[in-house]
Amino acid sequence: AQKVTQAQTEISVVEKEDVTLDCVYETRDTTYYLFWYKQPPSGELVFLIRRNSFDEQNEISGRYSWNFQKSTSSFNFTITASQVVDSAVYFCALSEAFGNEKLTFGTGTRLTIIP
Amino acid sequence: GAGVSQTPSNKVTEKGKYVELRCDPISGHTALYWYRQSLGQGPEFLIYFQGTGAADDSGLPNDRFFAVRPEGSVSTLKIQRTERGDSAVYLCASSLTARAGSYNEQFFGPGTRLTVL
Repeated sequence: AQKVTQAQTEISVVEKEDVTLDCVYETRDTTYYLFWYKQPPSGELVFLIRRNSFDEQNEISGRYSWNFQKSTSSFNFTITASQVVDSAVYFCALSEAFGNEKLTFGTGTRLTIIP
Repeated sequence: GAGVSQTPSNKVTEKGKYVELRCDPISGHTALYWYRQSLGQGPEFLIYFQGTGAADDSGLPNDRFFAVRPEGSVSTLKIQRTERGDSAVYLCASSLTARAGSYNEQFFGPGTRLTVL
């Protein structure tokens, strides 16, 4: 069975601070995908990143960066120089790589950026 | 182009009633997923369609829940004898296809907020 754990329920930081959101996953699959989604107050899920389990390279996209470590089954997300617009609930998710791509989500981390 | 649409955006019903929630996927997307998001939780998988057939319905909580996709496009999630615990946001997502060895991004709709009184 697949499981995603986001231990941080809520985080608040002051604007311009860096913040890291933790994600730990469990799966028996040797090949899988990991994701981060953003859910702003409007409610729609916004895709941020997908990572294949074969690719452990870290990725940076503007102020966002992701650290994938297979050895610790973690896929952490860092926002650098946070902005008020980053305030949202962030979900980490996992799917198998073959056929059915249903997503298993964590419980989410509510991030509040204080101006 | 048009994204995934869901109707209604909000549905209030009374305990014991029957409800239908509709999902219009992106044109040409053969894979369609339903998820349920309870307050303060992440979305939970309900059912997955590949074309007209339900390829995986392992997430449906009980036999009060049923979904169809008769023509391989629009899907309807049906809930019989609604209970207060069914109150949640029901999300639909579609993707080009689910195919071994390659990934196609799921695009989510805005959801239907169901409230059972």
